[in-house]
Amino acid sequence: AQSVAQPEDQVNVAEGNPLTVKCTYSVSGNPYLFWYVQYPNRGLQFLLKYITGDNLVKGSYGFEAEFNKSQTSFHLKKPSALVSDSALYFCAVRRYNFNKFYFGSGTKLNVKP
Amino acid sequence: GAGVSQTPSNKVTEKGKYVELRCDPISGHTALYWYRQSLGQGPEFLIYFQGTGAADDSGLPNDRFFAVRPEGSVSTLKIQRTERGDSAVYLCASSRGYSGTPGEQFFGPGTRLTVL
Repeated sequence: AQSVAQPEDQVNVAEGNPLTVKCTYSVSGNPYLFWYVQYPNRGLQFLLKYITGDNLVKGSYGFEAEFNKSQTSFHLKKPSALVSDSALYFCAVRRYNFNKFYFGSGTKLNVKP
Repeated sequence: GAGVSQTPSNKVTEKGKYVELRCDPISGHTALYWYRQSLGQGPEFLIYFQGTGAADDSGLPNDRFFAVRPEGSVSTLKIQRTERGDSAVYLCASSRGYSGTPGEQFFGPGTRLTVL
């Protein structure tokens, strides 16, 4: 079965510090991996994706994520957090050649001034 | 330009009633997805359209749920004999379509369905 796990319901970090939001996945075959962000009262917004190639993917708002095949992980990172990064973050996976997306349960990121 | 829009934004209905939820995707986007998001959970895939056809409806929970996209643009999610467990936010997303690699999905704001 295909699935995504976000082991932390909430991550707290001080502004200016690096942040990591964890994601692990289980999928048959090659995965396509995504991160989305959801701000209050707004729709989900695309941050970045891994399809193939370089394991380090850079996305919007200074976020990046590293694909680790051996650990089946795709953690979201940012070198210096901003208060405005506070939001709900979702990791998603799709199997190669399939259309169905599987989302994690989300991680609430709190960045404190 | 205009993003994905969904109507209504909120829908309250009684158990056993029929509801229709509408999604207007971004113009030119051939791929359209419906998801359901319950409180504290991530989006749960329901159905995927490529053009007018439902290419993957494996996420529809039962035969009370049905979706159409007759002209390859607007889509309607239809729920018959609603149950209290159907209460959730229903999300629609569109993308440029599958051309070997998946494109970015653009999500609408969702329709919050409450079944009393």
